[in-house]
Amino acid sequence: KAGVTQTPRYLIKTRGQQVTLSCSPISGHRSVSWYQQTPGQGLQFLFEYFSETQRNKGNFPGRFSGRQFSNSRSEMNVSTLELGDSALYLCASAEPGLRNTGELFFGEGSRLTVL
Amino acid sequence: GNSVTQMEGPVTLSEEAFLTINCTYTATGYPSLFWYVQYPGEGLQLLLKATKADDKGSNKGFEATYRKETTSFHLEKGSVQVSDSAVYFCALYPNDYKLSFGAGTTVTVRA
Repeated sequence: KAGVTQTPRYLIKTRGQQVTLSCSPISGHRSVSWYQQTPGQGLQFLFEYFSETQRNKGNFPGRFSGRQFSNSRSEMNVSTLELGDSALYLCASAEPGLRNTGELFFGEGSRLTVL
Repeated sequence: GNSVTQMEGPVTLSEEAFLTINCTYTATGYPSLFWYVQYPGEGLQLLLKATKADDKGSNKGFEATYRKETTSFHLEKGSVQVSDSAVYFCALYPNDYKLSFGAGTTVTVRA
């Protein structure tokens, strides 16, 4: 069974640009979560989707958005990039079920560098 | 609110030494508790979990017991190997679709 796949793995952008990151969950998983990992702030929750509905959202500005498609794939978008958005963005999926258990399967992440 | 406090690293050990990483939490209700591990250049992997008080999670020689009275979930391993070098994250899940992570503890095991 393939794991969680994130693309691109690495990308470099400049301030003011926007970026879209993609995540394909494990086959059969319908919940997808996104986390930002930085040396200063650690792992911060961005949002969680289940069956195309956002069920929870972290404390990030409106520049950060996401969506989930009917095949459970998810994308997140960051507009008007700032230097502080440089981070590893991790996507995770969870087993089917309306209620997650906290057991997440993580991808290897997309490392974004903003210059 | 929900939060997790982990012992600060980095921690450097010799092979076969005993490892303990302290983790305490603050939460309303009865969250599930987890230890996740991140090896260099990789995403996080679930190491072990406990879903209720007094549960003991175990995997790959690591153990942690959910202590409600002390709000703790300390990670232990009796004899570490070089391959255990990684960053370890304590996390709690209060059933709101998001994990709250501790800051992470970097562990380096030397041969």
